Amino acid sequence: DGGITQSPKYLFRKEGQNVTLSCEQNLNHDAMYWYRQDPGQGLRLIYYSQIVNDFQKGDIAEGYSVSREKKESFPLTVTSAQKNPTAFYLCASSPLLVRNTEAFFGQGTRLTVV
Amino acid sequence: SQELEQSPQSLIVQEGKNLTINCTSSKTLYGLYWYKQKYGEGLIFLMMLQKGGEEKSHEKITAKLDEKKQQSSLHITASQPSHAGIYLCGADRTSGTYKYIFGTGTRLKVLA
Repeated sequence: DGGITQSPKYLFRKEGQNVTLSCEQNLNHDAMYWYRQDPGQGLRLIYYSQIVNDFQKGDIAEGYSVSREKKESFPLTVTSAQKNPTAFYLCASSPLLVRNTEAFFGQGTRLTVV
Repeated sequence: SQELEQSPQSLIVQEGKNLTINCTSSKTLYGLYWYKQKYGEGLIFLMMLQKGGEEKSHEKITAKLDEKKQQSSLHITASQPSHAGIYLCGADRTSGTYKYIFGTGTRLKVLA
């Protein structure tokens, strides 16, 4: 079955640590996205990528980094510079970066700072 | 900047009742998407609307986009506990090079 797989489902980070969230898709989609979801704030775009080896900052990129070395993979690193990383992170993909095409989402990773 | 506002923020209904969730945009919508999210899980795509006046249905859920393409509604008929979750509207950005923006969501609880 085609889809988007995020791992791990739950992640705990100590203060000052970098952590990486995995996102893999086998839908052959060109575009991939990372969103952060906080209670009462909806989804906010962190980074997006249209093609391999290219990615762009979204609305809240500070403290995060990404890579797109393969079409199928778009990992997100939450760095120690991110002041409030505790949130639910969602990865999504869409066929192209064009209008009127829906995005498909992974199951999310819940990150908690301990 | 473009924003999507959803109302109500939360909704509790008795099983069997009808309900409506609204999504209003500050700018004309190009693509309008409805998603459902179960607590702590990813988003499940429900429907996409593109044209003014368009209406789509899937099982007991109907989504409409107004003629001016600035407001959409999601209507659930004869609600069931399985309808419970968070409903989010999303839209294509009207400017910029990247896509989706999302509303803050409506939390629906259906009492059996």
